[in-house]
Amino acid sequence: SAVISQKPSRDICQRGTSLTIQCQVDSQVTMMFWYRQQPGQSLTLIATANQGSEATYESGFVIDKFPISRPNLTFSTLTVSNMSPEDSSIYLCSVGLAGGYNEQFFGPGTRLTVL
Amino acid sequence: AQSVAQPEDQVNVAEGNPLTVKCTYSVSGNPYLFWYVQYPNRGLQFLLKYITGDNLVKGSYGFEAEFNKSQTSFHLKKPSALVSDSALYFCAVSASSGGSYIPTFGRGTSLIVHP
Repeated sequence: SAVISQKPSRDICQRGTSLTIQCQVDSQVTMMFWYRQQPGQSLTLIATANQGSEATYESGFVIDKFPISRPNLTFSTLTVSNMSPEDSSIYLCSVGLAGGYNEQFFGPGTRLTVL
Repeated sequence: AQSVAQPEDQVNVAEGNPLTVKCTYSVSGNPYLFWYVQYPNRGLQFLLKYITGDNLVKGSYGFEAEFNKSQTSFHLKKPSALVSDSALYFCAVSASSGGSYIPTFGRGTSLIVHP
């Protein structure tokens, strides 16, 4: 298993600004994922961030809007750039071992509100 | 493309009664199937998974799920529900080959257990 922490846990931001969310894992992991979730709804995968390579973005998400860093095997950041109220959501970091048969472990989430 | 269907937005059950949360899937090749639970204001927690072998899988908190290949289903069950089981439940599928190793999540089912 893995223990994941996220910072900040919540924030209220003004439109047009940017917020960087940090994800820290207590062990080295290959794969990290960033999701967006509206409260009480399903998860939408933003991107996969593997250490040593560029993040892979899902359809509808672009690097200019959601730049991701993955400097080592225990840490990643997601930046939400030039925010608008539509970006208000819960952002979740998760980690997993290589192979589709391995479960993911999720952070507690960052609740973002954009005014 | 792989997909997951959770046909019920909400399941209501009385405490002490058995519960079932339904999940059907579509994937190329052999599936890897997962259930996750999300308690209010918390991240997702892994409950159980099916990789291969016995069709009945047992997991955390007394939950179990049965893999049915002919019906492409992976329903979550518990013999006796507790009020503390009230949460949002997500089914997910990934593929062993011919599909994505990154899991696809269902839209979630809200389980409400009444005292």
